[in-house]
Amino acid sequence: DIQMTQSPSSVSASVGDRVTITCRASQGISNWLAWYQQKPGKAPKLLIYTTSSLQSGVPSRFSGSGSGTDFTLTISSLQPEDFATYYCQQANSFPITFGQGTRLEIK
Amino acid sequence: QITLKESGPTLVKPTQTLTLTCTFSGFSLSTSGVGVGWIRQPPRKALEWLALIYWNDDKRYSPSLKSRLTITKDTSKNQVVLRMTNMDPVDTATYYCAHNTVDTPMVFDFWGQGILVTVSS
Repeated sequence: DIQMTQSPSSVSASVGDRVTITCRASQGISNWLAWYQQKPGKAPKLLIYTTSSLQSGVPSRFSGSGSGTDFTLTISSLQPEDFATYYCQQANSFPITFGQGTRLEIK
Repeated sequence: QITLKESGPTLVKPTQTLTLTCTFSGFSLSTSGVGVGWIRQPPRKALEWLALIYWNDDKRYSPSLKSRLTITKDTSKNQVVLRMTNMDPVDTATYYCAHNTVDTPMVFDFWGQGILVTVSS
């Protein structure tokens, strides 16, 4: 199985800040990486697929980059509604695996 | 628009079999390239993929749970059913079903609201 490791596990930031979350795969996954946002009590929401493709309706302040084993999710200017938990997921091969999550909290 | 909704028991006893149904609308599982998957999330923990079924009845399972899982589809009813045998308290989780297409392979673009299943005697 491909292990996905996110860092940090949690981060505190303020509205307007730029935030970057990192995801590392235990082996190369080309660009088969997705990012989800999850708010408490809600289902995950797809933000980005194939590393950098923005899902329809997702604000452009979200962006993704990387390839191979190292990937990043960047939020360029945090908005109040962005405080949530973020998960990466590899879509390179079965079994599908997720990172452990990064909790983005208000400073 | 695409919607999915999970249904089934919210409380099961250890050793029992869990049967969950995902009822969806806005797409057909007879359309080439479409799939429906199941993902679970124990309280305050990360997401865990369980199974995925495709329009052509190809089925994929998490290796760690494969012996306990069965996924099936009823195209005429727009439903996907997940069966998990020998339930244990560690299986307590919110179970989600989600939509997948060949446009975003192995990625879930629409999710149900989830159903919390508690395993307890």
